[in-house]
Amino acid sequence: EPEVTQTPSHQVTQMGQEVILRCVPISNHLYFYWYRQILGQKVEFLVSFYNNEISEKSEIFDDQFSVERPDGSNFTLKIRSTKLEDSAMYFCASSLDDKNEQFFGPGTRLTVL
Amino acid sequence: QKEVEQNSGPLSVPEGAIASLNCTYSDRGSQSFFWYRQYSGKSPELIMSIYSNGDKEDGRFTAQLNKASQYVSLLIRDSQPSDSATYLCAVIVIGNQFYFGTGTSLTVIP
Repeated sequence: EPEVTQTPSHQVTQMGQEVILRCVPISNHLYFYWYRQILGQKVEFLVSFYNNEISEKSEIFDDQFSVERPDGSNFTLKIRSTKLEDSAMYFCASSLDDKNEQFFGPGTRLTVL
Repeated sequence: QKEVEQNSGPLSVPEGAIASLNCTYSDRGSQSFFWYRQYSGKSPELIMSIYSNGDKEDGRFTAQLNKASQYVSLLIRDSQPSDSATYLCAVIVIGNQFYFGTGTSLTVIP
């Protein structure tokens, strides 16, 4: 069964460093998403991406964040200058269209020291 | 204001019983509703979706939607210890953003 994959599973970085989180969505899906979940809190929407551009973004997704689909399979989230409060689980998801089910990857745990 | 509200629990039920999970949402324009299960330290796993008023059954799970009351629920029949997890209600609001509730923690006692 096709699934969303994410790498790395755990990323440790120093405050102020740049990180890139990687995702491979399900191959025939057209919409891609990033979410974050701070420990003990709810899953929060960051951004959605369709047809090589951002379609929606939340207030959390400020200028420190960017997304890219560098090739036909990968979808990345970059955080330019990490802060302590960026420590969270980051989930990638994909869907066939923007009204239906989203399927989540296993997540990347980001720890900012 | 777009919000999805769930009782955080914890909800405890004995093995074999019916677990009932509830969710309310604030955006009247919402059209798509989902239930996800999340085990500790894992990603959300889709249980089922519902788009029309009424009931939708899938195995031991039944989702119920009442758009007039802005209410969606999930019933789990014959609850098993493996059903112990946090259950997340998610709603697509106008603007096509997925909003998650805080989740209800369910424990099924053997």
